[in-house]
Amino acid sequence: EAGVTQFPSHSVIEKGQTVTLRCDPISGHDNLYWYRRVMGKEIKFLLHFVKESKQDESGMPNNRFLAERTGGTYSTLKVQPAELEDSGVYFCASSPGHSYGYTFGSGTRLTVV
Amino acid sequence: GQNIDQPTEMTATEGAIVQINCTYQTSGFNGLFWYQQHAGEAPTFLSYNVLDGLEEKGRFSSFLSRSKGYSYLLLKELQMKDSASYLCAVPNQAGTALIFGKGTTLSVSS
Repeated sequence: EAGVTQFPSHSVIEKGQTVTLRCDPISGHDNLYWYRRVMGKEIKFLLHFVKESKQDESGMPNNRFLAERTGGTYSTLKVQPAELEDSGVYFCASSPGHSYGYTFGSGTRLTVV
Repeated sequence: GQNIDQPTEMTATEGAIVQINCTYQTSGFNGLFWYQQHAGEAPTFLSYNVLDGLEEKGRFSSFLSRSKGYSYLLLKELQMKDSASYLCAVPNQAGTALIFGKGTTLSVSS
């Protein structure tokens, strides 16, 4: 089966621009998670979808970040406008039930210059 | 609050055994995970411990002591391909997400 796919793998944008990251979970996985790793820090939770509903978005840093999962399939994470501190690796993960048997994607490395 | 500590870096040689420690503080406990992450790749699941004791899975074993808030990952017969970051993680209090440690970068040399 195909794994969790993230696109793009790398993105370099200027401060103030907008970037949209995409995650395609494993087919049939209702649970979708976004995490972020900033340089030198640990991987941190951003938010959790069950199908198309946001179950927990307590980790979203501020209102410049918007996540959607229309139709309960793929998800997008938009950063608008991007700031320097948004640089890091954004990981998506999915699981079939509310368990921690996550499958992670390879991440999107975002660099804001 | 919840906090996870693990060493930043470790080095070892091929064929050796290495133990990566993890201490945690949680409000409630719902198990502990170990993930392996090679540079530029996705974290991959290694083990999940919810009861005290040692669980062995091939060359890798994971130990948990809930009373001590302590776990370790034991890697035997090290191979060069084991060079990676090893992440310790516990579920948050709400049970909705994982809290990760900063990871231990293991370098295996010949």
